[in-house]
Amino acid sequence: AQSVTQLGSHVSVSEGALVLLRCNYSSSVPPYLFWYVQYPNQGLQLLLKYTSAATLVKGINGFEAEFKKSETSFHLTKPSAHMSDAAEYFCAVTHADTGRRALTFGSGTRLQVQP
Amino acid sequence: EPEVTQTPSHQVTQMGQEVILRCVPISNHLYFYWYRQILGQKVEFLVSFYNNEISEKSEIFDDQFSVERPDGSNFTLKIRSTKLEDSAMYFCASSSLTSGLQETQYFGPGTRLLVL
Repeated sequence: AQSVTQLGSHVSVSEGALVLLRCNYSSSVPPYLFWYVQYPNQGLQLLLKYTSAATLVKGINGFEAEFKKSETSFHLTKPSAHMSDAAEYFCAVTHADTGRRALTFGSGTRLQVQP
Repeated sequence: EPEVTQTPSHQVTQMGQEVILRCVPISNHLYFYWYRQILGQKVEFLVSFYNNEISEKSEIFDDQFSVERPDGSNFTLKIRSTKLEDSAMYFCASSSLTSGLQETQYFGPGTRLLVL
């Protein structure tokens, strides 16, 4: 079964600093990977997704992620954090090996941005 | 921009009572989902629905749960006899068919259910 692991349940950065949120997947076949963001009291919003078209994926709000098969990773980055980036971020995968559409989520990383 | 809506935003119920959570998916979407997030835990898949029937369900989705599309716009999740452990945030999502497993699932804002 496919799964994702997010290292670091909480990450704190200063405004203007690099944001790096880690996601590693386990999969026997190339997966489809997603990053979602959840702002306080809101639903999940798609930031970006990897669909095998390109390994470097650009998303909304200046975020991007790079698919690295050799490292089974799909880490999320943003060069310069903004206060409005404070939220919870979830990495998720669909089950390309079984054809199931259900998303399997990581445990989430809460990003705090310090002024 | 079209969005998924859910009602109510909060629901408090007594253990053993039935609850119905409602969702209005994006209008041209054909796949519908329910997920839940127990406080402090992962978002977990419950069920997906396509062409008026369940297409996938998880082990969580037992006989206490049911889903229905009663009309052309609503998608509901019923919990027949709520338990304390059903307390969670319930998210509805919808997606179109065009890109298969790559297709983005669009999530609603959630219903926070508290079972006392």
